[in-house]
Amino acid sequence: NAGVTQTPKFQVLKTGQSMTLQCAQDMNHNSMYWYRQDPGMGLRLIYYSASEGTTDKGEVPNGYNVSRLNKREFSLRLESAAPSQTSVYFCASSEGGSFTEAFFGQGTRLTVV
Amino acid sequence: GENVEQHPSTLSVQEGDSAVIKCTYSDSASNYFPWYKQELGKGPQLIIDIRSNVGEKKDQRIAVTLNKTAKHFSLHITETQPEDSAVYFCAASMAGGSYIPTFGRGTSLIVHP
Repeated sequence: NAGVTQTPKFQVLKTGQSMTLQCAQDMNHNSMYWYRQDPGMGLRLIYYSASEGTTDKGEVPNGYNVSRLNKREFSLRLESAAPSQTSVYFCASSEGGSFTEAFFGQGTRLTVV
Repeated sequence: GENVEQHPSTLSVQEGDSAVIKCTYSDSASNYFPWYKQELGKGPQLIIDIRSNVGEKKDQRIAVTLNKTAKHFSLHITETQPEDSAVYFCAASMAGGSYIPTFGRGTSLIVHP
């Protein structure tokens, strides 16, 4: 049972490049989330999807887009990467829409130069 | 919105001592309080959670207490071991709804052998 799988684990981008972070869960969870983690800032919610077919903005959505491809997969896209988007990105999932007993992936460390 | 304050930001203890991490929240509607442990290079992992209908919950060496009136909750780790060294995050949410959790900024726990 893999849980929440994120790809890639590491990525270096040049300013202005685009990329998509992939996330898949195999726990049949309804809700999925994207967080970013910066030193001293804790975990900040970028976007979430309470159920298949719905997405909503979190605390820091600017510069990002998401797609809930199906119940298993939730991707995060950076259209034009900026150095301020250098961070560690975590995907999480939970059975319900309120983050109870949520599971996190291993993270994607993104550097924008 | 919800605001979660977590203290201390760093906690250093000797092996065998107890460790206490405290969090306060602002929204009285919050009723679900998870704690996550994040080891270096890994994603956060749920270690214990508590709902507002109980005041204390224990799981071996860890326990969480909740004071709804004062809007604070604490993580207690007894008989600390070097493998307890990690960053710990608290969060506040509302189970049963679409209330998205707010995380504290984290506590770096260092257990010295």
